[in-house]
Amino acid sequence: SQQGEEDPQALSIQEGENATMNCSYKTSINNLQWYRQNSGRGLVHLILIRSNEREKHSGRLRVTLDTSKKSSSLLITASRAADTASYFCATGFDYKLSFGAGTTVTVRA
Amino acid sequence: KAGVTQTPRYLIKTRGQQVTLSCSPISGHRSVSWYQQTPGQGLQFLFEYFSETQRNKGNFPGRFSGRQFSNSRSEMNVSTLELGDSALYLCASSQSDLQGEKLFFGSGTQLSVL
Repeated sequence: SQQGEEDPQALSIQEGENATMNCSYKTSINNLQWYRQNSGRGLVHLILIRSNEREKHSGRLRVTLDTSKKSSSLLITASRAADTASYFCATGFDYKLSFGAGTTVTVRA
Repeated sequence: KAGVTQTPRYLIKTRGQQVTLSCSPISGHRSVSWYQQTPGQGLQFLFEYFSETQRNKGNFPGRFSGRQFSNSRSEMNVSTLELGDSALYLCASSQSDLQGEKLFFGSGTQLSVL
């Protein structure tokens, strides 16, 4: 079974708008990561936030982590057409990552 | 550095056959993981190897097996293929020997079982 669950399942936004997606998980974690996947290709690592961190930034990405609520959010600011992809959260524990079902983001020009 | 290389990119097999997929990690990475991705089940963890030792295994039947060689290259094998084994198989490597660290993924092998 999957550890994380993303919400929403799909998101459609206009270029330049912000996109926010959420992830909930069930058990203890060492870290939480976000990945992007374009058209069924390999996943690309976006950002990793450790269990003792609350917020992290990388370029146009902002990730928050609330371990008390077992949840995380990924914000993409000023979206571009190239941000169209599926986004997955993954929790790291016991030498593996457990992935959520993903959020499909479509950025309209 | 070259990225994670998976071969072949596409594969078509029939039920009952077996298949071997190959993965070459990024140079210097000693951890290799395998994942299965299907529309219905999403990304499912298969196994992880570090320095030729399997450290964790997912909930897959014994038909799914893997190994890692001394040069960190890895192979996974699926015997007696079933229609449900049709999936994108992703290999990922990591430079860290810690648990669940950042992974670098290959482009995957798309397996179709007819």
